[in-house]
Amino acid sequence: AQTVTQSQPEMSVQEAETVTLSCTYDTSESDYYLFWYKQPPSRQMILVIRQEAYKQQNATENRFSVNFQKAAKSFSLKISDSQLGDAAMYFCAYRGTSGSRLTFGEGTQLTVNP
Amino acid sequence: ETGVTQTPRHLVMGMTNKKSLKCEQHLGHNAMYWYKQSAKKPLELMFVYSLEERVENNSVPSRFSPECPNSSHLFLHLHTLQPEDSALYLCASSRDYLRGSSYNSPLHFGNGTRLTVT
Repeated sequence: AQTVTQSQPEMSVQEAETVTLSCTYDTSESDYYLFWYKQPPSRQMILVIRQEAYKQQNATENRFSVNFQKAAKSFSLKISDSQLGDAAMYFCAYRGTSGSRLTFGEGTQLTVNP
Repeated sequence: ETGVTQTPRHLVMGMTNKKSLKCEQHLGHNAMYWYKQSAKKPLELMFVYSLEERVENNSVPSRFSPECPNSSHLFLHLHTLQPEDSALYLCASSRDYLRGSSYNSPLHFGNGTRLTVT
């Protein structure tokens, strides 16, 4: 069974600085997708970025980028130029090749300090 | 407009009550999901519907009963719940639920229903 681990329950960053959230996963599959979701106080889970395992190039979406290390089964999220609106719970998620089941990590609560 | 709308936003119910959670998606998606989010625990997938047919039921107690009358609507009927069922219940949809090349369609979530069982 796949598992997703986020070892940082809480992180904080100063506004305009950079922060990296960690995620590791365990799988026996060779092809899969990885996601980072953001859950602000509004409670809606919002897709931030996704990575296909067969692509070596790290995904980037504006200020958000990932460091995907397939051999290490690591998928960290880097937020550059942090903004107050980035404060939220961040979830790492894994999706394999069978159906659409998403396996989530426990989440990292990010605080952005002004 | 989130694309996925859940009602009610908050619900308090007694253990003997019967209530229903409603989810509606305006995205033209074919798959819909119920997730349970408890404090300090990963999201737990409860049910998956694809083209109005239930395709996954993850050992959820029978006091939770899903219903998908069409591809745009999903309900979760609740009866004789326990206090440990108190949680945030999230609905989501995706374009496809397929075993194959379309499995990269991401989930779109609603704002959830905060359920408290007293």
